[in-house]
Amino acid sequence: SQQGEEDPQALSIQEGENATMNCSYKTSINNLQWYRQNSGRGLVHLILIRSNEREKHSGRLRVTLDTSKKSSSLLITASRAADTASYFCATWNGGSQGNLIFGKGTKLSVKP
Amino acid sequence: NAGVTQTPKFQVLKTGQSMTLQCAQDMNHNSMYWYRQDPGMGLRLIYYSASEGTTDKGEVPNGYNVSRLNKREFSLRLESAAPSQTSVYFCASNPRSASYNEQFFGPGTRLTVL
Repeated sequence: SQQGEEDPQALSIQEGENATMNCSYKTSINNLQWYRQNSGRGLVHLILIRSNEREKHSGRLRVTLDTSKKSSSLLITASRAADTASYFCATWNGGSQGNLIFGKGTKLSVKP
Repeated sequence: NAGVTQTPKFQVLKTGQSMTLQCAQDMNHNSMYWYRQDPGMGLRLIYYSASEGTTDKGEVPNGYNVSRLNKREFSLRLESAAPSQTSVYFCASNPRSASYNEQFFGPGTRLTVL
């Protein structure tokens, strides 16, 4: 069952613009993670935000988490053509053997 | 460190054939996972192994079996392949026994069942 739902499904922007992707989820979580997948490759972890955190930064990435709205956003500032990829949110609801549940992803295209 | 490796990279099977997808990690991670990725569906968990010697079903286990051969290796077997199993298969690992930190992914195996 899909927990996270990313929005939009696809996003096309020009180099230098900011890209914002949103993720909504259904049940309470322990943490939320964002991953990037370049075409034909495996997923790469970008950033993890815990349920007691509201905002986190990593380089050009900014992630926010609103547990009251069960939503998160990923902002990529000053985007580059190399940022072209699919972005997935994944949630972990805790438990001794909890597993990640992935959303369907946002496909980002950054045009030079 | 090679990280997470998967073999083969590509495979074409006929309906009813069997095969084993191999996965190995050299990071001394406790837990390992098998996912499938279908267009527009994100990743769905097939099986996972929280530690050496244990395996558990994920969201879509039907038609698959797994073996945690040792701490490094986690294989996925299709006993009788079906066209519905055409997908991209990813193996992943995690340092702990639960996913409260990041997972590390292999490059994937692209499987086509005719």
